[in-house]
Amino acid sequence: DTGVSQNPRHKITKRGQNVTFRCDPISEHNRLYWYRQTLGQGPEFLTYFQNEAQLEKSRLLSDRFSAERPKGSFSTLEIQRTEQGDSAMYLCASSFPLSGVVTDTQYFGPGTRLTVL
Amino acid sequence: KNEVEQSPQNLTAQEGEFITINCSYSVGISALHWLQQHPGGGIVSLFMLSSGKKKHGRLIATINIQEKHSSLHITASHPRDSAVYICAVRLLDAGGTSYGKLTFGQGTILTVHP
Repeated sequence: DTGVSQNPRHKITKRGQNVTFRCDPISEHNRLYWYRQTLGQGPEFLTYFQNEAQLEKSRLLSDRFSAERPKGSFSTLEIQRTEQGDSAMYLCASSFPLSGVVTDTQYFGPGTRLTVL
Repeated sequence: KNEVEQSPQNLTAQEGEFITINCSYSVGISALHWLQQHPGGGIVSLFMLSSGKKKHGRLIATINIQEKHSSLHITASHPRDSAVYICAVRLLDAGGTSYGKLTFGQGTILTVHP
């Protein structure tokens, strides 16, 4: 399977615990995005990387959230001291923008569903 | 007010009906995407538009840049088309540079009955 993969697919945790999610993008894709989706809503942007550089972070990404892409391949999203409001689907997407193309198709992973009790 | 608005939020149709989902946006964009999301979360990109019209099978997407409006049409709808359809845009900043991220509408839940 050469698509975007995310692990774990489901995570149940207690309030106050730390959780870490992993995203493996399509291998030649240099852009990687994290989005969060709550029930009944469209996804919301969290952050994105071009290679290993984190180019943009949303104001939704509080101090408890940190994302890394150390070698420009896979990425991790960590949430510290989880709160019930963090319960959501966390989506990862990757893309390979072509030179001169104003936008690029993002390929989404299956998501990690987080439930904070 | 959200930068991207979709209508309707919920849509129920009988198999075979022609379906239209609308998307309006309030700011400058470099491109608009239509995405499909099935239960369980997986999102698939259907179309990417910066002008005009695109067709793929029974799906047609149009965009009017001047009116800041796009439509997704499904002809001869089928129960397997039941999904959430999401409009997303690539915004332009004040200097006219395209952001990397997508900004999403809230989605339209489509249910097609046999």
